[in-house]
Amino acid sequence: LAKTTQPISMDSYEGQEVNITCSHNNIATNDYITWYQQFPSQGPRFIIQGYKTKVTNEVASLFIPADRKSSTLSLPRVSLSDTAVYYCLVGDRYYGGSQGNLIFGKGTKLSVKP
Amino acid sequence: GAGVSQSPRYKVAKRGQDVALRCDPISGHVSLFWYQQALGQGPEFLTYFQNEAQLDKSGLPSDRFFAERPEGSVSTLKIQRTQQEDSAVYLCASSPQQAPGLGGTTQYFGPGTRLLVL
Repeated sequence: LAKTTQPISMDSYEGQEVNITCSHNNIATNDYITWYQQFPSQGPRFIIQGYKTKVTNEVASLFIPADRKSSTLSLPRVSLSDTAVYYCLVGDRYYGGSQGNLIFGKGTKLSVKP
Repeated sequence: GAGVSQSPRYKVAKRGQDVALRCDPISGHVSLFWYQQALGQGPEFLTYFQNEAQLDKSGLPSDRFFAERPEGSVSTLKIQRTQQEDSAVYLCASSPQQAPGLGGTTQYFGPGTRLLVL
């Protein structure tokens, strides 16, 4: 199983760019890297997914170096509403359970201050 | 369109009481997952349905936990003889794909049911 390691918490201020790095040293060839966001009292929400290089959508960017042993979620110009827990997940279609259930770690608690 | 809904949002039970938690997935979604989230932890897998078939229940912590999805849409997670350690948020997620996993797919989560056992 590809284990992920990410910081437990991060602080930032409104308008700053936030980068959250996730380590996954034993990532397998077929593994994708996916990030979910969870607000208090809500279920996790898909943010972004990538396999290699860089992926960008309307919410975030995901940077993956060539060796794929780590990845960085980049949130541009954060606001107070970006305060949440961010989870890094690594796996392929059959990762973890045989039916593709997601395996979450403890995530990174991001606090954005005014 | 409507997302995944769960009810009740909050449930307080006395130890030993039976509870039933409901999940309404997104219409037409084939896959349905239940997760348990303890305070300060990430969600942990409980069980998986593909339509009405329960294909994986390896995450259910004990035989007091039972889940069903009889018509392949709404699902119910039942906990018998609740214990204090059952206190957690129970999340339901659905996906349009079979065995969605992580590769190129996503799961849509409901808001969860917060269960407190006294």
